[in-house]
Amino acid sequence: GENVEQHPSTLSVQEGDSAVIKCTYSDSASNYFPWYKQELGKRPQLIIDIRSNVGEKKDQRIAVTLNKTAKHFSLHITETQPEDSAVYFCAASPFSGSARQLTFGSGTQLTVLP
Amino acid sequence: SQTIHQWPATLVQPVGSPLSLECTVEGTSNPNLYWYRQAAGRGLQLLFYSVGIGQISSEVPQNLSASRPQDRQFILSSKKLLLSDSGFYLCAWTLGGNLNTEAFFGQGTRLTVV
Repeated sequence: GENVEQHPSTLSVQEGDSAVIKCTYSDSASNYFPWYKQELGKRPQLIIDIRSNVGEKKDQRIAVTLNKTAKHFSLHITETQPEDSAVYFCAASPFSGSARQLTFGSGTQLTVLP
Repeated sequence: SQTIHQWPATLVQPVGSPLSLECTVEGTSNPNLYWYRQAAGRGLQLLFYSVGIGQISSEVPQNLSASRPQDRQFILSSKKLLLSDSGFYLCAWTLGGNLNTEAFFGQGTRLTVV
């Protein structure tokens, strides 16, 4: 099955700096790569996603890049703010038969220091 | 609009007692349904997923089981809880079929086995 590795596990940045979180996946059949943000005690929520036919996608201060050849994708947050502090999860979705599964990375605890 | 309900929000159970967590989805038909577990400081581990009534796929061997008695109802159970079953359990749904789309999570159940 799919294996997703995520780095770093913890990340501290100064407010206004950029943050980068990286993930690698193992299944070359994966074609959908979402990122979820989970604030303390809350449910994970989608913040951005990318499909395998696209190399980069931006949404305001958030961007995701995908390198299919190397099987890795990254989340970039620019001009970080304290409210960006949360756990971020990457995920990869292969397609197998009639089922679809999201395999998540282990998460990155991002702390934005004021 | 679609909503997902998961209950209870918190649960404290003694070792060896049974478990039943319930999740229901409203506003969509034939969703894919998922149970995840999130141990403290760790990522989201897929436990079970279901593509239809009575169809359950297990990702990891354990003393938990899942059932889908109705199209939009997903139940996580155990006959005898272990201390290691403690964690944050999340139910989620995605659109059914061959579509890579956003996963929507319930608010989670924090289970403490004592």
